[in-house]
Amino acid sequence: DSGVTQTPKHLITATGQRVTLRCSPRSGDLSVYWYQQSLDQGLQFLIQYYNGEERAKGNILERFSAQQFPDLHSELNLSSLELGDSALYFCASTLGTVITDTQYFGPGTRLTVL
Amino acid sequence: SQQGEEDPQALSIQEGENATMNCSYKTSINNLQWYRQNSGRGLVHLILIRSNEREKHSGRLRVTLDTSKKSSSLLITASRAADTASYFCATDANTGNQFYFGTGTSLTVIP
Repeated sequence: DSGVTQTPKHLITATGQRVTLRCSPRSGDLSVYWYQQSLDQGLQFLIQYYNGEERAKGNILERFSAQQFPDLHSELNLSSLELGDSALYFCASTLGTVITDTQYFGPGTRLTVL
Repeated sequence: SQQGEEDPQALSIQEGENATMNCSYKTSINNLQWYRQNSGRGLVHLILIRSNEREKHSGRLRVTLDTSKKSSSLLITASRAADTASYFCATDANTGNQFYFGTGTSLTVIP
């Protein structure tokens, strides 16, 4: 158990809808990272937050947004969902800001868009 | 794209044999990491090697890094059925706060 929690575990929704994925980092970690893993794109870095502030941005679509709250949990919002958004979404956390520190991954949320 | 490529894509070996997988990347890096992912689960960090290191060991794992060839290898010795998983290398880009995972090697260890 990495100490990173993600909810929900599975999410099934329809195209055009909006969903929110939630992540709680390990106790004491200040950075949260979001990743998307799909069969055709592999594991893609989406975005990083550190202590409430956006720190780095990867291949995140404009339809996606994220935030980190004062209690350090983070939410990834996916809107106007398309079939191609079906994927596993992982969050990871680290103590500091350095993206190349060892990252501790949550179990993931499997999103299915029908 | 900096995204790394792992080779082979899939590897099947008998328990007790050694498994070697390779990772190639495109631009200069600060460090390279290897992660393991069991089917549909989160990734687990295995080992980190810095750009000024050439070899690193952790238990049955041995990682090498050749920055001149922009490549790394992960050797798992005396493999066990529990080593069955996908293995990914991950690199930064040395020019910004980005993090890239390779395409992964799927390892199957047959008991």
